[in-house]
Amino acid sequence: RKEVEQDPGPFNVPEGATVAFNCTYSNSASQSFFWYRQDCRKEPKLLMSVYSSGNEDGRFTAQLNRASQYISLLIRDSKLSDSATYLCVVKAPNSGYALNFGKGTSLLVTP
Amino acid sequence: GAVVSQHPSWVICKSGTSVKIECRSLDFQATTMFWYRQFPKQSLMLMATSNEGSKATYEQGVEKDKFLINHASLTLSTLTVTSAHPEDSSFYICSARDYRVDTQYFGPGTRLTVL
Repeated sequence: RKEVEQDPGPFNVPEGATVAFNCTYSNSASQSFFWYRQDCRKEPKLLMSVYSSGNEDGRFTAQLNRASQYISLLIRDSKLSDSATYLCVVKAPNSGYALNFGKGTSLLVTP
Repeated sequence: GAVVSQHPSWVICKSGTSVKIECRSLDFQATTMFWYRQFPKQSLMLMATSNEGSKATYEQGVEKDKFLINHASLTLSTLTVTSAHPEDSSFYICSARDYRVDTQYFGPGTRLTVL
């Protein structure tokens, strides 16, 4: 079983739509959770950390459910520039500072 | 903000040659750097953890004699792909940890194509 699993998509949505991505992780002792964004042929860039109480950054809302080992990302009022691959990332215990990446969910926002 | 550079950004080489990739943290010191590899439509896979002044820690399945890592200073780690073969063609990305803010910053990646 992969450590971090995501629906690869693609998700094709019109501008202005709300879209949600989900992610599950296998190690219940995992400590830190993130969403990264990766554009085609570029490096991943941190979008936001995910906190147990849930957190919001503008149009982006992240939530964590430790009991279900489930992480979500909600994007409201999608923009064309949101088109990218969204990576769910988990830092497992005893892994030093290494990160485990999901395969990513591809989002295409259309006019 | 913190910046990590990689050089070269892309390289094409013949099978059997060795390729060195540099990863530099430009405005902070990084005692720990990481090397990842990403194949098309796949997730980033950690290859090894590079610790300044000591040997790298390799992930299971990654050949340490093929992927040589040197982290000789607090701002530079190098990955050398020795005797590269077409199956080594991939996107190699490094990251550097800024301990002051406990955040990893990624380099722009190096696209390696082995003919």
